[in-house]
Amino acid sequence: EVQLQESGPGLVKPSQSLSLTCSVTGYSITSNYWGWIRKFPGNKMEWMGYISYSGSTSYNPSLKSRISITRDTSKNQFFLQLNSVTTEDTATYYCARSSSTDFDYWGQGVMVTVSS
Amino acid sequence: DIRMTQSPASLSASLGETVNIECLASEDIYSDLAWYQQKPGKSPQLLIYNANSLQNGVPSRFSGSGSGTQYSLKINSLQSEDVATYFCQQYNNYPLTFGSGTKLEIK
Repeated sequence: EVQLQESGPGLVKPSQSLSLTCSVTGYSITSNYWGWIRKFPGNKMEWMGYISYSGSTSYNPSLKSRISITRDTSKNQFFLQLNSVTTEDTATYYCARSSSTDFDYWGQGVMVTVSS
Repeated sequence: DIRMTQSPASLSASLGETVNIECLASEDIYSDLAWYQQKPGKSPQLLIYNANSLQNGVPSRFSGSGSGTQYSLKINSLQSEDVATYFCQQYNNYPLTFGSGTKLEIK
């Protein structure tokens, strides 16, 4: 069974970087696409970007200057780094598997608060 | 960006009823649409893809329809476990975008 699990700090200070890890079991990240999606307080969902089976990336232009998605295939993990965070980056962050279209497997989500 | 306008924002219905949730895209998305269910405290679950294809394991009381810019999710014979927030998502163009969600409650 495909399972995804996010991990990382729940509190980040403004202007610092947010770093999250998604650990995948039951499926290789060298297949499909692997994305990050966040849900803001109030329910708005935002696709942040993903990394493909080959390691290529695609990002939401609204984040392009601040976001980086990388991977470690030996550990079957992929990572999110979001730089220069503000309080507006407070959200629940999900990792998910995609075929570059819909998202069929999701992690349980990690709540990240940006606050001093 | 393609804007997805979802309605209603909230919905209250009785057990056994049929409910419809709508999603309007700001341009033609050629049926490149998914629907998700998110129960309280849980992660989203894919219900429908390609506007009308039922994801494996999803009960047949869920169905999707639509074309062009207008799409809908129908839930027949509403059950208590259907209490959730429902989202649409388009994948016709980048960036991928979501509707604002419909919160479904039982009367």
